[in-house]
Amino acid sequence: AQKITQTQPGMFVQEKEAVTLDCTYDTSDQSYGLFWYKQPSSGEMIFLIYQGSYDEQNATEGRYSLNFQKARKSANLVISASQLGDSAMYFCAMRDLDQTGANNLFFGTGTRLTVIP
Amino acid sequence: GAVVSQHPSWVICKSGTSVKIECRSLDFQATTMFWYRQFPKQSLMLMATSNEGSKATYEQGVEKDKFLINHASLTLSTLTVTSAHPEDSSFYICSARLYEQYFGPGTRLTVT
Repeated sequence: AQKITQTQPGMFVQEKEAVTLDCTYDTSDQSYGLFWYKQPSSGEMIFLIYQGSYDEQNATEGRYSLNFQKARKSANLVISASQLGDSAMYFCAMRDLDQTGANNLFFGTGTRLTVIP
Repeated sequence: GAVVSQHPSWVICKSGTSVKIECRSLDFQATTMFWYRQFPKQSLMLMATSNEGSKATYEQGVEKDKFLINHASLTLSTLTVTSAHPEDSSFYICSARLYEQYFGPGTRLTVT
C-alpha cells in the first residue's frame, strides 16, 4: 500500500499568492514524522519543514507552514507569498518503521509547482 | 552543519563498464547512509540502506550484485554500478543520517 499520496502532479500559482500542496499518508504507527522537500532542477533535495506525529501545533518555517490534520492523515504544505524561485518539484515524505523495523523515509510522487510572474 | 557531498556530480560511461559514486558526510559521522534512485519525473526510490562496517540492506527488486555498496568508514559510503547498461541511467542520491536524513546533491549517471 502506498504510504504517501500526492494527488497533484502539477500546480500553478501567481507570484505573491499562497498555494497549498496536498499530501496524505498511511501508517499504523503512533510515532512518525512528516517532511516536505523541495527539489529544483539542479536535483538537490532541500529540506523545508518537519512535523512530528505528537506535535500539537502546526509546524512553520518562514513562508512555509504545514497544515497537519492527524485524524484525516493529511500534511499539506502551504507556501505563502510565492516567489519565482519557488518553482520546483515538491516531495512529501514520511518517516516510520518499515517491515524490517528500520526507520526509513517514504516519498510521495511529487508535485511540480510553477510560479507565474 | 550536516552537509553531505557526492562525487561525481555527473558521469557518462559506456555500457559494460563500472562506475563508482561516493557519498561523504562532511561535518558529522553517519553510521547509516541511504542510496536512492530517481528516474526522470519520478519520485525517489530507496535502493539500499548502508550501515558502517556491515553489509548493506537492499530493497526488494534491487540487484545487490549489480549495485555494490561499501560503507567502510563513518563518513564515506560508495555505490558501484557494475556492468552498467543504458537502463541504469538515472539520478542517484545518497543521504546520511544524523538525527534525520541529510541528502547529498545527487549524481547523474548516463550510460551510453
